[in-house]
Amino acid sequence: EAQVTQNPRYLITVTGKKLTVTCSQNMNHEYMSWYRQDPGLGLRQIYYSMNVEVTDKGDVPEGYKVSRKEKRNFPLILESPSPNQTSLYFCASSPTGGVVSTGELFFGEGSRLTVL
Amino acid sequence: AQSVTQLDSHVSVSEGTPVLLRCNYSSSYSPSLFWYVQHPNKGLQLLLKYTSAATLVKGINGFEAEFKKSETSFHLTKPSAHMSDAAEYFCVVSGWGSASKIIFGSGTRLSIRP
Repeated sequence: EAQVTQNPRYLITVTGKKLTVTCSQNMNHEYMSWYRQDPGLGLRQIYYSMNVEVTDKGDVPEGYKVSRKEKRNFPLILESPSPNQTSLYFCASSPTGGVVSTGELFFGEGSRLTVL
Repeated sequence: AQSVTQLDSHVSVSEGTPVLLRCNYSSSYSPSLFWYVQHPNKGLQLLLKYTSAATLVKGINGFEAEFKKSETSFHLTKPSAHMSDAAEYFCVVSGWGSASKIIFGSGTRLSIRP
C-alpha cells in the first residue's frame, strides 16, 4: 500500500531532550516536506527536500533540523525542544518536486508532540 | 508573493443542504490551487486541484470548485452535505515550478447538523 509513515504518532517529552520524528514513504517520491499545524494557523512548512541530499528551509525552520540521506526517509530532528514546539507535525511527499502544480501532496497521519 | 485566505473559520450546515467554503488567493503569476480535507486524527487528503485547465474542477465525494481569476477566488461547493463531510478543509496555493512555495490557508471547519 502506498503510504507515508511517521513515528512516533504521539510523544510527550521535556525541554531540551533531543528527539527525532521519522518519516518514510514507499512511493519513490522525490519531494518531501515537514509541516506543523497549530490552531488558527493552518499548516506551516518547516523544511522541504527536492531530492536526496537537497534540503531547504521553509517558513518556520528555527529549532529544527532535517536530513535526506535516502530517497525514502526524511527525519525531523529537534535538537533541544522547547514548549513552543508543541504541535501536530505532518510529513508529506510528492512525485513532482519541481513542478508541484501537476502533482499532489501525500500526507502521513501526523505526530502529536508535547514539550513540557 | 503568494497568499491564501479562507474567509470562514467555521461553517455549519444541515445535512442535505448546499456547502460553500470560501477561499481567496493572491499570486503574482498563474497559480495552482488545491483543496485538501482533514478528517479527525487523520492526515490531509487531496479533494481537487486546479492547474490552468478547466476553470470548474470536480473532485472526490461530490465536491467541486470554480477558479475565478477576476475575483481571485477558488470557492469549494457541494450541492448536498452529508454527515461524513464533517472535517477541516484547507485551501492551498502553489507557484508554477516552485515546489517550495506551497501556502496553506488557515482552514475551515465544516460541521453538519442532522
